Amino acid sequence: DAKTTQPPSMDCAEGRAANLPCNHSTISGNEYVYWYRQIHSQGPQYIIHGLKNNETNEMASLIITEDRKSSTLILPHATLRDTAVYYCIVRAMNRDDKIIFGKGTRLHILP
Amino acid sequence: GAGVSQSPRYKVAKRGQDVALRCDPISGHVSLFWYQQALGQGPEFLTYFQNEAQLDKSGLPSDRFFAERPEGSVSTLKIQRTQQEDSAVYLCASSPTGVFNYGYTFGSGTRLTVV
Repeated sequence: DAKTTQPPSMDCAEGRAANLPCNHSTISGNEYVYWYRQIHSQGPQYIIHGLKNNETNEMASLIITEDRKSSTLILPHATLRDTAVYYCIVRAMNRDDKIIFGKGTRLHILP
Repeated sequence: GAGVSQSPRYKVAKRGQDVALRCDPISGHVSLFWYQQALGQGPEFLTYFQNEAQLDKSGLPSDRFFAERPEGSVSTLKIQRTQQEDSAVYLCASSPTGVFNYGYTFGSGTRLTVV
């Protein structure tokens, strides 16, 4: 699986959009981009995934660049409950084995 | 149940003691994973089951670690002769095979402290 690079930490004001970047310059054509988050004292939680088109669900939006070498997770109206570590993962299609986590980005939502 | 259930939530063990950690996956989920998470780090893969078959145990740090899933549902992670470096949160996740798009569902973990 390709590796990802994320900033170690970010701050965002409550109510503003939180934009979390991820670089995955060695991503292969059959690899998806997945995002998980981990709130304190909980297990990681799936947020969203995409291949090459932008995706949106009730939690977030995922913007993938045209060359697929980077992506941005957008939380449109951040709340204090969004304070967590966010992990960006790239993973091949039709894989049903382990997910490899990096160190992620620790997002602080400021009141 | 609706989610992945892990027990106990907290465990304190004396060094050298054996411990057993339990994971109840979501009913019908074929795949089950164990991860170890040290303080301030991302989860590290330990082992993976598909039904009762242990397909990957490459992440188990030593032969003191043993996992089983005898009937393809509940899984137990056993650590023998615990050491202080085993102190961590142990996470379990499950997924229905072939539906990787929806990601994995994790439990809240068992926090093991070895004293």
